[in-house]
Amino acid sequence: DAKTTQPTSMDCAEGRAANLPCNHSTISGNEYVYWYRQIHSQGPQYIIHGLKNNETNEMASLIITEDRKSSTLILPHATLRDTAVYYCIAKISNDYKLSFGAGTTVTVRA
Amino acid sequence: NAGVMQNPRHLVRRRGQEARLRCSPMKGHSHVYWYRQLPEEGLKFMVYLQKENIIDESGMPKERFSAEFPKEGPSILRIQQVVRGDSAAYFCASSPPGQDTDTQYFGPGTRLTVL
Repeated sequence: DAKTTQPTSMDCAEGRAANLPCNHSTISGNEYVYWYRQIHSQGPQYIIHGLKNNETNEMASLIITEDRKSSTLILPHATLRDTAVYYCIAKISNDYKLSFGAGTTVTVRA
Repeated sequence: NAGVMQNPRHLVRRRGQEARLRCSPMKGHSHVYWYRQLPEEGLKFMVYLQKENIIDESGMPKERFSAEFPKEGPSILRIQQVVRGDSAAYFCASSPPGQDTDTQYFGPGTRLTVL
């Protein structure tokens, strides 16, 4: 699976959009981009995933660049409960092992 | 629809004792994965099981650790003769059969403390 690079930490104001970047410059054509988050002391929570097209669900939007070398997770209206470590994972469809890196520690401030 | 359930949530053992961690997957899910998160570290894959079969245990320590997913009942991660280094959070995840095995849904974890 391709290596992903994320900023170590970022702050976000409550009520504003949070844009979380992820670089995956060596991603291959059959690797999806997955996002999970882990709120303190809880299990990882699936957020969203995509291959080429932008995706949106009730939690977030995923914007993938045309060359697929980077992506951005957007939390449209961050709340204090969105404070968590966010993981960007590149994974081949039939590879079941999720490789969690250090992620981005997102702190939403009132 | 209940999510992945794990019990106990917290487990304290003395060195040399056995630890048994249980995981009930989401309804309809027949794939179970176990991950371990050591203090201040990321989650690491341990083992992948389907009903009555171990598919991949490449992330399991060679000794003292075993896992099963019987036809009936929850998946069990068993650690024999625990040592202090086994202290960690153990997370179970599940995914549905056939289609979309990619998206794994995690339980709340079991936090094991070895005294």
